[in-house]
Amino acid sequence: AQSVTQLGSHVSVSEGALVLLRCNYSSSVPPYLFWYVQYPNQGLQLLLKYTSAATLVKGINGFEAEFKKSETSFHLTKPSAHMSDAAEYFCAVTDPGSARQLTFGSGTQLTVLP
Amino acid sequence: EPEVTQTPSHQVTQMGQEVILRCVPISNHLYFYWYRQILGQKVEFLVSFYNNEISEKSEIFDDQFSVERPDGSNFTLKIRSTKLEDSAMYFCASTDLTVQETQYFGPGTRLLVL
Repeated sequence: AQSVTQLGSHVSVSEGALVLLRCNYSSSVPPYLFWYVQYPNQGLQLLLKYTSAATLVKGINGFEAEFKKSETSFHLTKPSAHMSDAAEYFCAVTDPGSARQLTFGSGTQLTVLP
Repeated sequence: EPEVTQTPSHQVTQMGQEVILRCVPISNHLYFYWYRQILGQKVEFLVSFYNNEISEKSEIFDDQFSVERPDGSNFTLKIRSTKLEDSAMYFCASTDLTVQETQYFGPGTRLLVL
């Protein structure tokens, strides 16, 4: 069975500071990994995805994530936080090649302080 | 850009009543999903649907739930006899394997059972 652990349910950073949101996964097969963002009262928007190509993945809004198999991690980073980045971020995992369900982490609420 | 749409955006119902949540997936997508998010909790998989039948379902998706693709565009989730604990945000998603299993989510329907 797959699982995702997001360390830190709440993260606060100052505007302009580095954003680091942690995600560790457990999977019996090489997974596909995703980061989704949820703004208040909105749906889930795909930020970026890892699908077994480059291990460093760039997404929208300046975010990127690095797949590290040895650490079973897929942490999300952004060099400089913006106020508009305040949202909830979800890491998710799925088995490749099967259109199977996404298994989500519990989410990290990012607050950006002025 | 094509997107998944869901109606209604909000629904309030009395316990024991039937509700139908509607989704219009992206037009060329073949796999459809329902997820739910109870307030403050993680996003949970309910069911996936392909070729007019259920592909996978979770333990949550018991006999009170059903899904249907009544025509070429709509995908519905029916809850036969709602319970208080069914109150949640329900998300529809769709994917086409040619986009490497990226699931595109709708904006959600917030269901409140009184």
